[in-house]
Amino acid sequence: GNSVTQMEGPVTLSEEAFLTINCTYTATGYPSLFWYVQYPGEGLQLLLKATKADDKGSNKGFEATYRKETTSFHLEKGSVQVSDSAVYFCALSDPNGSGNTGKLIFGQGTTLQVKP
Amino acid sequence: GVTQSPTHLIKTRGQQVTLRCSSQSGHNTVSWYQQALGQGPQFIFQYYRKEENGRGNFPPRFSGLQFPNDSSELNVNALELDDSALYLCASSFDGETQYFGPGTRLLVL
Repeated sequence: GNSVTQMEGPVTLSEEAFLTINCTYTATGYPSLFWYVQYPGEGLQLLLKATKADDKGSNKGFEATYRKETTSFHLEKGSVQVSDSAVYFCALSDPNGSGNTGKLIFGQGTTLQVKP
Repeated sequence: GVTQSPTHLIKTRGQQVTLRCSSQSGHNTVSWYQQALGQGPQFIFQYYRKEENGRGNFPPRFSGLQFPNDSSELNVNALELDDSALYLCASSFDGETQYFGPGTRLLVL
């Protein structure tokens, strides 16, 4: 079945460091790919999305490129801030044969800690 | 945005619970997810035009309703200890991109 695998956390970085959080997926068909962020005690916020191969999603300095050849959607940011500390989830849409059910399949999440 | 109530809830094993969600304006589908501590959310089901439109690997004691104003309820009967989790509601205008509420944290004792 379809699945998402994220790099193990926690990831600890100093402020202004470069961030990469790896995400790979297994899917039939052509799913859309998403990154969500969850701050402590809150729900999930959509960070960015990409709907087809070679698309780049970007938002708030974060970027991720849909790589079909490597089945990857790695999250990057050039300079992290303390306020970026959160849990990051990679997800894919999981359409069934008769259309989209709205089902997202999530990875296990990667905790990012940014120190001043 | 998407709102949920209540924010926290404590129940005992065997009881029933109803969680509520109000979708973002203009969104016509609503989905529910269960997030256990330290895990990614798991899809429970989605509703579109008041009909269930996809279901994850959850037993029938998890049921839902969608109302004409696109608000929604999640009902869980015969609560078990493993039902303790954060329950997230998400609405969508395109059926795919999900916008999440803050969640209801349920503790079953």
